[in-house]
Amino acid sequence: DAGVIQSPRHEVTEMGQEVTLRCKPISGHNSLFWYRQTMMRGLELLIYFNNNVPIDDSGMPEDRFSAKMPNASFSTLKIQPSEPRDSAVYFCASSLWGLDQPQHFGDGTRLSIL
Amino acid sequence: RKEVEQDPGPFNVPEGATVAFNCTYSNSASRSFFWYRQDCRKEPKLLMSVYSSGNEDGRFTAQLNRASQYISLLIRDSKLSDSATYLCVVNKGRGSTLGRLYFGRGTQLTVWP
Repeated sequence: DAGVIQSPRHEVTEMGQEVTLRCKPISGHNSLFWYRQTMMRGLELLIYFNNNVPIDDSGMPEDRFSAKMPNASFSTLKIQPSEPRDSAVYFCASSLWGLDQPQHFGDGTRLSIL
Repeated sequence: RKEVEQDPGPFNVPEGATVAFNCTYSNSASRSFFWYRQDCRKEPKLLMSVYSSGNEDGRFTAQLNRASQYISLLIRDSKLSDSATYLCVVNKGRGSTLGRLYFGRGTQLTVWP
């Protein structure tokens, strides 16, 4: 069975550029989560969706970050404009429903902003 | 005070040893609890959910102490493959959809031969 699929695996870009990260959740999972992981702050929940609807975006650091889920099988996390402090590993995860179910993580996107 | 706190370690133990980690959480209304493991430069993977009555999965035992607001993970007969970072996760929740997930910073375990 296919797990959570993220792309790209690595992204290196210059500050000021727009960055788009993509995620395909596990089929049949109704909840999708975006996380950011850094050495300084650990793993942080940025936003999560239930049935394609954003439920909690309080973890989104600022207006430069936006996330969408146009359908049950696809989500994007966009950073515009990007800054060096956005460099991190970004994980997408999905669960059957909500926060009480185990989550399955994608391989992550390693983002470096120069 | 942080929502979830873990001893970062590192814990360095020989093969065959028993090792235990604790994780404390700040909100008494927290409703669901998990242990994940994360290998270096990999994604977190669910190790086990933690149930009120405690639960065991092979060499791994998880317990929840609501009165003292901590969860624990016990690993018996450690294997080299157990070397990883163990993350404690808590749903500080008003429900399965209206809560908020918090991850601990992780406890690093190294098992040596």
